[in-house]
Amino acid sequence: EAQVTQNPRYLITVTGKKLTVTCSQNMNHEYMSWYRQDPGLGLRQIYYSMNVEVTDKGDVPEGYKVSRKEKRNFPLILESPSPNQTSLYFCASMGRGGTQYFGPGTRLLVL
Amino acid sequence: GQSLEQPSEVTAVEGAIVQINCTYQTSGFYGLSWYQQHDGGAPTFLSYNALDGLEETGRFSSFLSRSDSYGYLLLQELQMKDSASYFCAVPRGGYNKLIFGAGTRLAVHP
Repeated sequence: EAQVTQNPRYLITVTGKKLTVTCSQNMNHEYMSWYRQDPGLGLRQIYYSMNVEVTDKGDVPEGYKVSRKEKRNFPLILESPSPNQTSLYFCASMGRGGTQYFGPGTRLLVL
Repeated sequence: GQSLEQPSEVTAVEGAIVQINCTYQTSGFYGLSWYQQHDGGAPTFLSYNALDGLEETGRFSSFLSRSDSYGYLLLQELQMKDSASYFCAVPRGGYNKLIFGAGTRLAVHP
């Protein structure tokens, strides 16, 4: 089954404690992205990757890092999380015609 | 800058037809997409228009007018399960950078 998986699905952490949200896709897509979703703001792109070792900033990259060492994986790293990064995060991979396939989401609370 | 505008909420009754509009401002145009998101779920792809006109997929249709920088999603024979948020989206500077509208929350009532 074609899918995008994310882990963890829910996470509560404290300010400053580094965390990583993993993302994996099994569709052999080259393009992958991370989004955050906040009420009233829709989905905003954090980072995207066009292929292995090729990443670039989206609209809201501050406070986030990503890596793309393998085609299937695209982890999101918060080196020093802050409360304003409390949000719902989605990983997506992109198929033909720009169609985005989203993972199930990770709900993060930073205290 | 680049932006999309869509209504924040729409209400309709079962069996009716509803139209959700989206106007956009972009430098360069690569197509307009629509996504559906149920509460607690992930966005799922509905449709994509690269050229002017109407694209039909079952009960859902999407329309694009590039000259007017405008598109809409048309939902027919509404069902309760269509209650969800609907987002329009356009690529910016290429397919890999996608910007989304703030979303339209559709409530379908009996």
